[in-house]
Amino acid sequence: NAGVTQTPKFRVLKTGQSMTLLCAQDMNHEYMYWYRQDPGMGLRLIHYSVGEGTTAKGEVPDGYNVSRLKKQNFLLGLESAAPSQTSVYFCASARQDFSGANVLTFGAGSRLTVL
Amino acid sequence: KQEVTQIPAALSVPEGENLVLNCSFTDSAIYNLQWFRQDPGKGLTSLLLIQSSQREQTSGRLNASLDKSSGRSTLYIAASQPGDSATYLCAVSGANSKLTFGKGITLSVRP
Repeated sequence: NAGVTQTPKFRVLKTGQSMTLLCAQDMNHEYMYWYRQDPGMGLRLIHYSVGEGTTAKGEVPDGYNVSRLKKQNFLLGLESAAPSQTSVYFCASARQDFSGANVLTFGAGSRLTVL
Repeated sequence: KQEVTQIPAALSVPEGENLVLNCSFTDSAIYNLQWFRQDPGKGLTSLLLIQSSQREQTSGRLNASLDKSSGRSTLYIAASQPGDSATYLCAVSGANSKLTFGKGITLSVRP
C-alpha cells in the first residue's frame, strides 16, 4: 500500500537546468497537488489538478509547469531552475467527496537545491 | 484571500502537561479544517479532520475543535509525551479542495 510516492527524494541542480518531479498515487484519487515548503513560509500551493487531463495554478505557480496525463501521476517541471526554487516539494492527493475534500495524503517530500 | 495563523511559532512544555495549540483563519467559508503533524525531514501526517458542520473530533489523546463563525480551531493534546514533539500545522479547505496552511507550531515536550 504505497500511497503517494515522490521521485526523486533529493536533487541538486545548477541554475538554468531543467528537471521533472514525479508524483504517483495508487489510491485512485481525483485531486492532486504540488506544494513547496520553505522556512518561515509554511506550505504554499504551486499547482493542482482536479482530475486526469486538468491542471490549475495555485498561489506560487511562476517558474513551474505541471501535467496530469494519467490519473495516478502528477508531474512538476522546472524548465530553467533558479536558486529561489531551492525548497522541499510535497505532493498530495485527495479523493473527491461532498464537502470538497477528504483527508489529504502527502508524499515524503523531494528536497531540491539549485546552485 | 484566506489566511491561516498559528501563534506561537514554538512551544516547550514538560512531559505530562495538557496543552492547546491555536489556529485562526480569516474566511469562515471553509469546507473543513485539518490538523497535520510533521516530524523533522518528513512529510505531513493527517491527525484530525473536522467538517464545516462539525464542532469537534477526537482521536486518542487528541481533540480538535472548530468554531467557524469566529474563525478559530484548537488542538488539545492530553498528557503530553516526548514522542509528541513535532511541528503541528492546521489547514483549511476551500473550493476545489485547495488547502491553505498555517506556518505551524513547533512543539517540544521535555522529559
